[in-house]
Amino acid sequence: KAGVTQTPRYLIKTRGQQVTLSCSPISGHRSVSWYQQTPGQGLQFLFEYFSETQRNKGNFPGRFSGRQFSNSRSEMNVSTLELGDSALYLCASSLGRSVTGELFFGEGSRLTVL
Amino acid sequence: DQQVKQNSPSLSVQEGRISILNCDYTNSMFDYFLWYKKYPAEGPTFLISISSIKDKNEDGRFTVFLNKSAKHLSLHIVPSQPGDSAVYFCAAKLLAGGGADGLTFGKGTHLIIQP
Repeated sequence: KAGVTQTPRYLIKTRGQQVTLSCSPISGHRSVSWYQQTPGQGLQFLFEYFSETQRNKGNFPGRFSGRQFSNSRSEMNVSTLELGDSALYLCASSLGRSVTGELFFGEGSRLTVL
Repeated sequence: DQQVKQNSPSLSVQEGRISILNCDYTNSMFDYFLWYKKYPAEGPTFLISISSIKDKNEDGRFTVFLNKSAKHLSLHIVPSQPGDSAVYFCAAKLLAGGGADGLTFGKGTHLIIQP
């Protein structure tokens, strides 16, 4: 069974630009969550999508947005990039409404903002 | 305000000995706790979990203990092996209300197993 796939793995942008990251969940998984990992803040929850609907959102500004498609693939977008947006962005999938809360993570997209 | 805290950024343990990683939480509504392990350049992988109705859960070399009154949990690894060297994240979630799968993570503890 293929794991969670994130693209691109690495990218470099400049301040003010926008970026779109993609995530393909494990087949059959309907929930996709996004997390930001930075050295100072650890893993922080961005948002979660289930059946194309945003079900929960973390404490991030409106520059961070996402969506989910009918095939459960998800994208997240960051507009007007700031230096502080440099981070590892992790996508995780699950069956959805999972009692155990076990998430399956991708390898992440490493974003560097210059 | 950090609801899940891992106060030790790093921990060094000799191979074969016990590794104890600690985690504290402030939100008494959390009712499910998980540990994830992360190697460099990889995503976190699920290790072990515990429900708030239990105080211990064991899986091979890994045991998680939960002390609800102290809002504290710990992960014990016995015996520690070189492959255990990784960053360990403690995470908590609210099951009530059947809500989203969003987890609240600690900042992680870097475990280093020394030969």
